[in-house]
Amino acid sequence: ELKVEQNPLFLSMQEGKNYTIYCNYSTTSDRLYWYRQDPGKSLESLFVLLSNGAVKQEGRLMASLDTKARLSTLHITAAVHDLSATYFCAVDINLYGNKLVFGAGTILRVKS
Amino acid sequence: EPEVTQTPSHQVTQMGQEVILRCVPISNHLYFYWYRQILGQKVEFLVSFYNNEISEKSEIFDDQFSVERPDGSNFTLKIRSTKLEDSAMYFCASSLQGMNTEAFFGQGTRLTVV
Repeated sequence: ELKVEQNPLFLSMQEGKNYTIYCNYSTTSDRLYWYRQDPGKSLESLFVLLSNGAVKQEGRLMASLDTKARLSTLHITAAVHDLSATYFCAVDINLYGNKLVFGAGTILRVKS
Repeated sequence: EPEVTQTPSHQVTQMGQEVILRCVPISNHLYFYWYRQILGQKVEFLVSFYNNEISEKSEIFDDQFSVERPDGSNFTLKIRSTKLEDSAMYFCASSLQGMNTEAFFGQGTRLTVV
């Protein structure tokens, strides 16, 4: 059974600090997505990583993918309160695309 | 900006009743999906739909579930006889292609079965 494991599951950090969320998965895939979810809201696409070594950055967030290690990271630089949300990684396991297996999510709270 | 819209935002139904959840995918997208998220748990794949037929479904998507694209814009999920354990947030999503394209999610329908 495919497993997608995120850690930590809960992260409380101070504004201005850096931290990394890890996403490990147990099957061969080179398609991984990061989503953000605010309470009671939908899933907002953050990053699409489609090859080994892919690195994408948007503002204070940077995501990378190492398909050999079956690991993706979401790095937060100089956190601000607005980044408080739940972050999910999702691995696409369908040969023809878009059957996503989600991790459990990381609840991020940034304290002022 | 184009978005996936879902109605209703919240549906309360009695156990054993049929419910239909509705979705309007992004207009030029060709692939459609339903996912669900039981409160406090992870998001789970239910079904994918392309070219007017199911392309893949999970073990959750049993005979009680069905999907339909009744016209050119709507995409529906029907649960024939709801159970308490069907209570969840149901997300519709769509993507332009199947492979290597991100899925865009709707805001979700919270289904409560009482």
